[in-house]
Amino acid sequence: QVQLVQSGAEVKKPGASVRVSCKASGYTFTTYYIHWVRQAPGEGLEWMGIINPNGGSTSYAQKFQGRVTMTRDTSTSTVYMDLSSLRSEDTAVYYCARDLTGNRSGWYAYWGQGTLITVSS
Amino acid sequence: QSALTQPASVSGSPGQSITISCTGTSSDVGGYNYVSWYQQHPGKAPKLMIYEVSNRPSGVSNRFSGSKSGNTASLTISGLQAEDEADYYCNSYRSGTTFYYVFGTGTKVTVL
Repeated sequence: QVQLVQSGAEVKKPGASVRVSCKASGYTFTTYYIHWVRQAPGEGLEWMGIINPNGGSTSYAQKFQGRVTMTRDTSTSTVYMDLSSLRSEDTAVYYCARDLTGNRSGWYAYWGQGTLITVSS
Repeated sequence: QSALTQPASVSGSPGQSITISCTGTSSDVGGYNYVSWYQQHPGKAPKLMIYEVSNRPSGVSNRFSGSKSGNTASLTISGLQAEDEADYYCNSYRSGTTFYYVFGTGTKVTVL
């Protein structure tokens, strides 16, 4: 079955960087796009960006341009999301999510369990 | 990058039907059929309920249905049940200088 398993919770200081991993299994890794979505405490869902595991091309929400980098390792079927220059407003649960179909439909059929990133001095 | 507009809350009694709206523009909801809906219970990851405006993934109850008219998409829950109490979010592809995706503001559904 399709599974997305994310790395564990982290606490970071303002100005630091964080890397969240998302390991995929149960399907052909390079066939489906992966999106990153975050949710601040008590707030709604926010789309951050997308990566095509086949080739590694990316597209990021304008809000995160210059601060976010998404990469993938096909040898381990893992996608990474790096966020730099962290501030308190980046405190959130970060999710990876896989598209339902092989095109970048934005229909998030499978989700990771979420990774809580806390930014605090 | 403004969010799609949803009502903050909708409520209904068990067995009733409710409808949640999701209003965007011709650059997103009105221009494409890449509209989807998600259910999220507290502390859980979202769950895909509707994709491509009106399609249900395997395993989702047929009490959930989706539609679209102009720039507004809608999610209807019929035969409301206690377990339907959750937050619901719409999502759409949005065109611009580069493509991206946008969520709705979210709607809290309360079963009275």
